[in-house]
Amino acid sequence: AQTVTQSQPEMSVQEAETVTLSCTYDTSESDYYLFWYKQPPSRQMILVIRQEAYKQQNATENRFSVNFQKAAKSFSLKISDSQLGDAAMYFCAYRSASSSGSRLTFGEGTQLTVNP
Amino acid sequence: SAVISQKPSRDICQRGTSLTIQCQVDSQVTMMFWYRQQPGQSLTLIATANQGSEATYESGFVIDKFPISRPNLTFSTLTVSNMSPEDSSIYLCSVGMRMVYNEQFFGPGTRLTVL
Repeated sequence: AQTVTQSQPEMSVQEAETVTLSCTYDTSESDYYLFWYKQPPSRQMILVIRQEAYKQQNATENRFSVNFQKAAKSFSLKISDSQLGDAAMYFCAYRSASSSGSRLTFGEGTQLTVNP
Repeated sequence: SAVISQKPSRDICQRGTSLTIQCQVDSQVTMMFWYRQQPGQSLTLIATANQGSEATYESGFVIDKFPISRPNLTFSTLTVSNMSPEDSSIYLCSVGMRMVYNEQFFGPGTRLTVL
């Protein structure tokens, strides 16, 4: 079974600074997807960024980028120019690429605080 | 993407009663999922709601406690039966869309408190 680990229960960053959230995972599969979701106090889960395991290039979405290290099974999220609206719980998630592997496996989450 | 609504958004219930949560999607989707998020914790998959057949439950979750219906490709319900305070959680509906980079989209969640 796949597992996802986020070793940082809480992180804080100054507004306009950069922060990196860590995520590691364990799988025996070679093809899969990785995601970062954001959950603000409204509790709505919002997809931040996705990465396909077969792609070597790291995904980027505006101020959000990932450092995907497949051999090390590491998938960290970098938030640049942090904004107050980035404050939320961030979840790393894994999904198999197999036709039967539709479920998402989530990490424990990292609570991000952005200080003005 | 998909627009997903859930009803109710929150409820406070007495132990021993049951609550049915509805999930409505604005487009036909193949895969619908129900997750539980206990206070301060991560999301755990309860079951996959299959259209036209019984739901597929994850380890630790049983149909008698969490019966699920999926009458069509845009709607599903999750019932939390014979509730106890340990069932106090956020329950989230999610849909999978293979044509959209295999993403899963989430509803706004239902916050359940059991007294």
